[in-house]
Amino acid sequence: QKEVEQNSGPLSVPEGAIASLNCTYSDRVSQSFFWYRQYSGKSPELIMSIYSNGDKEDGRFTAQLNKASQYVSLLIRDSQPSDSATYLCAVPLTGGYNKLIFGAGTRLAVHP
Amino acid sequence: GAVVSQHPSRVICKSGTSVKIECRSLDFQATTMFWYRQFPKKSLMLMATSNEGSKATYEQGVEKDKFLINHASLTLSTLTVTSAHPEDSSFYICSANGNTGELFFGEGSRLTVL
Repeated sequence: QKEVEQNSGPLSVPEGAIASLNCTYSDRVSQSFFWYRQYSGKSPELIMSIYSNGDKEDGRFTAQLNKASQYVSLLIRDSQPSDSATYLCAVPLTGGYNKLIFGAGTRLAVHP
Repeated sequence: GAVVSQHPSRVICKSGTSVKIECRSLDFQATTMFWYRQFPKKSLMLMATSNEGSKATYEQGVEKDKFLINHASLTLSTLTVTSAHPEDSSFYICSANGNTGELFFGEGSRLTVL
């Protein structure tokens, strides 16, 4: 059974700082990795997907993947209070990208 | 992007009654949809895979007779919580792959069983 591990937090950072969120996974053959953001009482929304080792940048978000070490991280630059949410790391249960297994999520709090 | 819609967003019911939650793909056809459950401050747990025109596939530990799933068309899957009890109170979320393969989530349905 695949496992996805995240630090539950809360991770508290000041506005404007870089927030670093980490995730480790147990399945060495996983090829796709996803970061979702979930506001309280809402459903998750996709922030980033990454498939290759290295960094992938999209605006203020950077996903970093290291398959050898089996971890994937998400960096949020210039953190804003509106970034305060729970960030979920997800890995496909099968070889595709549809049936996802989620980590417990890391709660991020960005304070002014 | 693709939109997945759930209804109702909130439902309160008495213990012992059944509740139906609908999940619709609004601008694409979804042969497969997924149902998740999320308890407060917990992560999403995959309950089952809903397959259009065939039986749903349930994850280990999920009672198929309690959580009835019907996927009668390419745009609609329903989850019925039968004989609901307070421990079934949770946030139920459906998801489906859009045409590009990206997974989209519905808005979620919060069930409270009294």
